[in-house]
Amino acid sequence: DAKTTQPTSMDCAEGRAANLPCNHSTISGNEYVYWYRQIHSQGPQYIIHGLKNNETNEMASLIITEDRKSSTLILPHATLRDTAVYYCIVRARSNDYKLSFGAGTTVTVRA
Amino acid sequence: DVKVTQSSRYLVKRTGEKVFLECVQDMDHENMFWYRQDPGLGLRLIYFSYDVKMKEKGDIPEGYSVSREKKERFSLILESASTNQTSMYLCASSAPLYSNQPQHFGDGTRLSIL
Repeated sequence: DAKTTQPTSMDCAEGRAANLPCNHSTISGNEYVYWYRQIHSQGPQYIIHGLKNNETNEMASLIITEDRKSSTLILPHATLRDTAVYYCIVRARSNDYKLSFGAGTTVTVRA
Repeated sequence: DVKVTQSSRYLVKRTGEKVFLECVQDMDHENMFWYRQDPGLGLRLIYFSYDVKMKEKGDIPEGYSVSREKKERFSLILESASTNQTSMYLCASSAPLYSNQPQHFGDGTRLSIL
């Protein structure tokens, strides 16, 4: 899997958009970008994934640059419940069944 | 929504006991996984099952076994629990690998072996 780089931590004000960057400059053509988050003492929660087009669901939006070397997860209106560690992963879909998370970004949403 | 349910959130057992962790998913997923997560070591795959009665070892299978008798249920067994198996255990499920669909996790079982 391609390596990803994320900032260690970031703060966000409640009600504002949170923009979480991820660098994956060695991504290959068949690798997807996935985002998960893990709230303290809970299991990881899938957020969104994409290949090259921007994606949006009820939780977030995923913006992937045209060269696919980086992406941004956008939480449109952050709430205190969005405080968590956010993980960006790139994976090929073929035979790669093992997930591994890096250090992720610790996001703290402040009132 | 996908629902992966683990039988216990917290469990305390004694050294040498046989421990069963149960996981059920409601999305008819072919694949099911058991991971453990430890501070500084991240997520490590213990076992993976791609069909009923089928299993593959992950990175750290020693001291563990698994059972998948029904598609929706995947059990992790600690044959003789030891203190170094104190950890957070996470079950996940997914559609076939070629589908590019994500793995979905349960809430985890925090297991303490005394």
